Amino acid sequence: ETAVFQTPNYHVTQVGNEVSFNCKQTLGHDTMYWYKQDSKKLLKIMFSYNNKQLIVNETVPRRFSPQSSDKAHLNLRIKSVEPEDSAVYLCASSYWGGNQDTQYFGPGTRLLVL
Amino acid sequence: GEQVEQRPPHLSVREGDSAVIICTYTDPNSYYFFWYKQEPGAGLQLLMKVFSSTEINEGQGFTVLLNKKDKQLSLNLTAAHPGDSAVYFCAVRQGGRALIFGTGTTVSVSP
Repeated sequence: ETAVFQTPNYHVTQVGNEVSFNCKQTLGHDTMYWYKQDSKKLLKIMFSYNNKQLIVNETVPRRFSPQSSDKAHLNLRIKSVEPEDSAVYLCASSYWGGNQDTQYFGPGTRLLVL
Repeated sequence: GEQVEQRPPHLSVREGDSAVIICTYTDPNSYYFFWYKQEPGAGLQLLMKVFSSTEINEGQGFTVLLNKKDKQLSLNLTAAHPGDSAVYFCAVRQGGRALIFGTGTTVSVSP
């Protein structure tokens, strides 16, 4: 099965803890993304990454960082979570350029910070 | 930067009726447009990708219209059925990689 996979589905933690979310794609894409979906369902880009370039949305706090081992994986680490980090985090992937640049999304990781 | 307004935020229709969602974007240089569907507890499912050179696109049970003059993108659900109940998002991409999403429309289809 070719798709975008995310783990865990759901995570509950306390303020100040460190969390890490995994994303893997088997679509053969060379670019991956993390989006944040807040409680009002608004979606905003956090990171875009391929093996040449990392693009960070300037509004993303420094406690967030992407981590990649290869082009099929892009994890998201939050160093010290805050209550406002409670959200759904969606991973996506695509090809870098051309008409094939359609982003396909994983099912999301729901984070609740107590 | 690009901003995308989506309306209405909520839409309730009866089975068999049509429903229209409209997105208005600001940057005339935007050239890729997308519609995604999000069912409860799930990720985003791609419905359709629209290039700026194509104005009308038909999918299974829906039609997408791109009006470049008014900078509007619309999704028309024809003969809605309960399986269409979901949140729908439009998205716009320019030369960069990130998608800029509309604010979402929650569609409820009742029998």
